[in-house]
Amino acid sequence: QKEVEQNSGPLSVPEGAIASLNCTYSDRGSQSFFWYRQYSGKSPELIMSIYSNGDKEDGRFTAQLNKASQYVSLLIRDSQPSDSATYLCAPYDSWGKLQFGAGTQVVVTP
Amino acid sequence: EAGVVQSPRYKIIEKKQPVAFWCNPISGHNTLYWYLQNLGQGPELLIRYENEEAVDDSQLPKDRFSAERLKGVDSTLKIQPAELGDSAVYLCASGTGTDTNTGELFFGEGSRLTVL
Repeated sequence: QKEVEQNSGPLSVPEGAIASLNCTYSDRGSQSFFWYRQYSGKSPELIMSIYSNGDKEDGRFTAQLNKASQYVSLLIRDSQPSDSATYLCAPYDSWGKLQFGAGTQVVVTP
Repeated sequence: EAGVVQSPRYKIIEKKQPVAFWCNPISGHNTLYWYLQNLGQGPELLIRYENEEAVDDSQLPKDRFSAERLKGVDSTLKIQPAELGDSAVYLCASGTGTDTNTGELFFGEGSRLTVL
C-alpha cells in the first residue's frame, strides 16, 4: 500500500468549472498537509497548506482535511487553462518526512 | 533573489559511467534535499541535510550513490556506477529550516539523467 494515494487522472475540467482532487494517506501521525503544483517539465511549487480539520481557502483554491478519514482534498474554482498541471499531495509523516503522492494531472479545456 | 540552481540540466551517459549533479540552494537556506522523480511519479527523498549534516539518508542507495554538502551551502550528488534504472530527474530543494512546519520547499529545475 502506497503511503499517499491520488488518482492519476487526467482529470478533464471545462474552463470555469470546479476541479476536485482527492488524496488519502496511510500515516495517522501526519499532522501537516501540503499541495504542490507541477507544470510539465518544471519543478514543484507549493500552493496550499492545511493543518487542521475543515476547510482552508486561498483565492480560487480550497483545501479540505479530514484526519479521522485520512483524507485531504483540493478544490480549484473557476478553473483556468493556466491551472493545467499535475497536483501533488504531500503530507508530513510521523518521522518528519514530506511524502509526495504520484500526483493528479488536471487538464482544463477551453 | 536567485532560486535553487542545479547543473547540469541534462546528462546522457552510458551505464557503468559515473555522474555528478550540483546544487546551489537559496542563500540563507540551511536545509537541503535531493529528490528523485520518475516519470508519472512524485518526488522521492534521497537525502536531507540540515546545514552540513545529513539528517536523513535512509533512502539513499549507498552502494552507488553518495552526496556531500561541504560548508553547509552547495551540494553534490554522485552516482557511480550508473545503472539503466537510474534514469530520472534529480531534484534539489532547499528550505529555511522551518519547512517541517511550513512544508515549503523551493525546488530547482532539476537534472534529467538518461542512462543508455
